[in-house]
Amino acid sequence: GENVEQHPSTLSVQEGDSAVIKCTYSDSASNYFPWYKQELGKRPQLIIDIRSNVGEKKDQRIAVTLNKTAKHFSLHITETQPEDSAVYFCAATGGFKTIFGAGTRLFVKA
Amino acid sequence: KAGVTQTPRYLIKTRGQQVTLSCSPISGHRSVSWYQQTPGQGLQFLFEYFSETQRNKGNFPGRFSGRQFSNSRSEMNVSTLELGDSALYLCASSLEAGVGTDTQYFGPGTRLTVL
Repeated sequence: GENVEQHPSTLSVQEGDSAVIKCTYSDSASNYFPWYKQELGKRPQLIIDIRSNVGEKKDQRIAVTLNKTAKHFSLHITETQPEDSAVYFCAATGGFKTIFGAGTRLFVKA
Repeated sequence: KAGVTQTPRYLIKTRGQQVTLSCSPISGHRSVSWYQQTPGQGLQFLFEYFSETQRNKGNFPGRFSGRQFSNSRSEMNVSTLELGDSALYLCASSLEAGVGTDTQYFGPGTRLTVL
């Protein structure tokens, strides 16, 4: 069945460093790739998304890249801050179905 | 606009019982998706509804069912509860899930505990 693999499961960085989270999807019908941030006890919040006809998108310190041929997409956070600490989920959507990765727990040390 | 709301927020049931959870989407949103979130399995897709029709479903047993009303509000039902059904159940709404191009906005979830 459809699957989204997400790596790493845990990531610890120093404040100011960059963080990169990578995902791989299996369903060729996927054409929309959102990223969500979930803080403890809260609902997932969309932070950035990318559609299949775009290779890269940036929003301030956050960027996402997509390689449809390889079925890879990645989240890049630059100049990390302690408030970036949370669990990040990638997802792949297609055919009225969204499959999430297992999540990456990001720790940003001050 | 008010966000996605879910009721109840917390629920405790015993094995064998059934439960109904409710989700009210953002006004104007016509698609509602349901997810089960557990520490071990992450966010698992349950089903998606649009205009009262289920357009896709995940790999869950038939004990899990849902429906959508004409006002886009949605309910999900779990019958014959098992311990493993303990989880946070999240719903998300989007304006219109065409071929997966619309942002989903999540509700706060219903935390179900099965004893």
